[in-house]
Amino acid sequence: KNQVEQSPQSLIILEGKNCTLQCNYTVSPFSNLRWYKQDTGRGPVSLTIMTFSENTKSNGRYTATLDADTKQSSLHITASQLSDSASYICVVSALNSGNTPLVFGKGTRLSVIA
Amino acid sequence: NAGVTQTPKFQVLKTGQSMTLQCAQDMNHEYMSWYRQDPGMGLRLIHYSVGAGITDQGEVPNGYNVSRSTTEDFPLRLLSAAPSQTSVYFCASSYGTPREGYGYTFGSGTRLTVV
Repeated sequence: KNQVEQSPQSLIILEGKNCTLQCNYTVSPFSNLRWYKQDTGRGPVSLTIMTFSENTKSNGRYTATLDADTKQSSLHITASQLSDSASYICVVSALNSGNTPLVFGKGTRLSVIA
Repeated sequence: NAGVTQTPKFQVLKTGQSMTLQCAQDMNHEYMSWYRQDPGMGLRLIHYSVGAGITDQGEVPNGYNVSRSTTEDFPLRLLSAAPSQTSVYFCASSYGTPREGYGYTFGSGTRLTVV
């Protein structure tokens, strides 16, 4: 069964510190992986997309990595800011899964405190 | 450029009532979908559309109907509301299919409570 597991479920860090969020998946055959940021009361917003051949991709202070062999991805946030407080959702796309090609993780809730 | 607009933002229904959640996008996206988000669960696909006049079921379609008469609009109808349909509903659109790598633009959601 295609699944996406994220860890930790929640995380509290001090402003200015770095953190890393994890995403493990069993989706096959793999097409791509996206990280979304969801602020409270808002819809998710895409941060990065990773395809099979990509290992690292950055978007400002956000850096995503992908290890397609171990089926793991991480999202590293550098020099965190209060505005980084949000849920971060890992979404994996399968090449041929009928009507539901996207598998959503449950998200990691990040709280950045002053 | 408004993106994806959902209305209403909040709604309370009584069991058995029907209603329509509205979704409109102004980006000329062909692909549109409806998701529900429940605590402790990932987003789950209800229905989707690959273009005007074409709709299909997702993972959790029971109790919901959709139609796509125009490229811009994709309303979601609850036929007879049940407490199990209490959730936050998101409409999303993309230029192409997510399977091909196109990212979603999400609306800001409709928080629905069925009592």
